[in-house]
Amino acid sequence: DAGVIQSPRHEVTEMGQEVTLRCKPISGHNSLFWYRQTMMRGLELLIYFNNNVPIDDSGMPEDRFSAKMPNASFSTLKIQPSEPRDSAVYFCASSLFVGPLYNEQFFGPGTRLTVL
Amino acid sequence: AQTVTQSQPEMSVQEAETVTLSCTYDTSESDYYLFWYKQPPSRQMILVIRQEAYKQQNATENRFSVNFQKAAKSFSLKISDSQLGDAAMYFCAYRSMDSNYQLIWGAGTKLIIKP
Repeated sequence: DAGVIQSPRHEVTEMGQEVTLRCKPISGHNSLFWYRQTMMRGLELLIYFNNNVPIDDSGMPEDRFSAKMPNASFSTLKIQPSEPRDSAVYFCASSLFVGPLYNEQFFGPGTRLTVL
Repeated sequence: AQTVTQSQPEMSVQEAETVTLSCTYDTSESDYYLFWYKQPPSRQMILVIRQEAYKQQNATENRFSVNFQKAAKSFSLKISDSQLGDAAMYFCAYRSMDSNYQLIWGAGTKLIIKP
């Protein structure tokens, strides 16, 4: 069974360029999360989707960041324009939400973004 | 607001020995979940073990076990018979029962295994 798939694994770009990160959640999962991990701030939740609808985007740093989930099997995180301070590892995670009880989040391998 | 503290930035242990990683948290809630995640050099976050606060029995998964002290708000991870493959960053995380998704993360502990 394939886990969460993210692409690309590594991205190097120049300041001002548009960056698009992609995620394919585990088939059958109805919740999707985008996280950012940096040395300074640790792991931060950027946005949470449930049934393709954004539920909590309070962690999105600013308007340069946007996320979409057009269907249950695909999501994108876009940064436009990118800045050096956006350099980080971006993780996508998915889970099957069946109620208020525990539901494990499964993480993808992450995309390491470097903005020069 | 809840917080999670991992006071050990780095720990090292001899292969085959036992090591304990510390985690404390602050909450006013009585029901919640606690987790330990492992992040090896491959970067992927992997769930190691979870504990429901309403359960008094400490969770165990093979060589991994926890010491859950609810009154002290402590949740340490014990790794027995350490193996080279255990080398990784270990993160402690908290989730409120009121939230079905929001994880509060500790800063992590880097575990080094000495051959």
